Amino acid sequence: DQQVKQNSPSLSVQEGRISILNCDYTNSMFDYFLWYKKYPAEGPTFLISISSIKDKNEDGRFTVFLNKSAKHLSLHIVPSQPGDSAVYFCAASQRGGSNYKLTFGKGTLLTVNP
Amino acid sequence: DAGVIQSPRHEVTEMGQEVTLRCKPISGHDYLFWYRQTMMRGLELLIYFNNNVPIDDSGMPEDRFSAKMPNASFSTLKIQPSEPRDSAVYFCASSLLGGETQYFGPGTRLLVL
Repeated sequence: DQQVKQNSPSLSVQEGRISILNCDYTNSMFDYFLWYKKYPAEGPTFLISISSIKDKNEDGRFTVFLNKSAKHLSLHIVPSQPGDSAVYFCAASQRGGSNYKLTFGKGTLLTVNP
Repeated sequence: DAGVIQSPRHEVTEMGQEVTLRCKPISGHDYLFWYRQTMMRGLELLIYFNNNVPIDDSGMPEDRFSAKMPNASFSTLKIQPSEPRDSAVYFCASSLLGGETQYFGPGTRLLVL
């Protein structure tokens, strides 16, 4: 049973445009959400996170939105750059229970075309 | 800081052989995690340690898998005997105080023939 789902395996956008990556979750106990970025032959690297008490968090070109009622979060990248081409993983955890396990989605391959 | 170090980066072995994957976490980090990535199941947590003590091993697939952390700077994941379905990329990650910002190593790509 997949508790974190990324339904789009891939996404292609033009340089300078907005990239929107989506993630859905089923476990209502999740209270902290993260996005990781992964280049080929490297490990995932942390990108941005959001607590369930917020609905938006911004860091430069990256913004994460959380809709708790819909159990949905999205990552916006504006403007997209060719160097953003990578696999993006959504992850979730239950901070409240001092549970440090991260549950990951399967990832979305983003390709930004010059 | 060198980041999380994993060795070997690639491992090819035959079914039935023992495989040992190694990880050196970031100095000072007190949590260490082992993950496995496959096409079918994505990135899944196998086990994690806090201060060298295993906390949750519910993700370890079966008794053929074992993990140890003899000290704060070294951990191993062992598969004995290995099977073709164990072929995957295995990642080690570490974090400070259990923070969700886990820092991943480059991974070990395992192929069991």
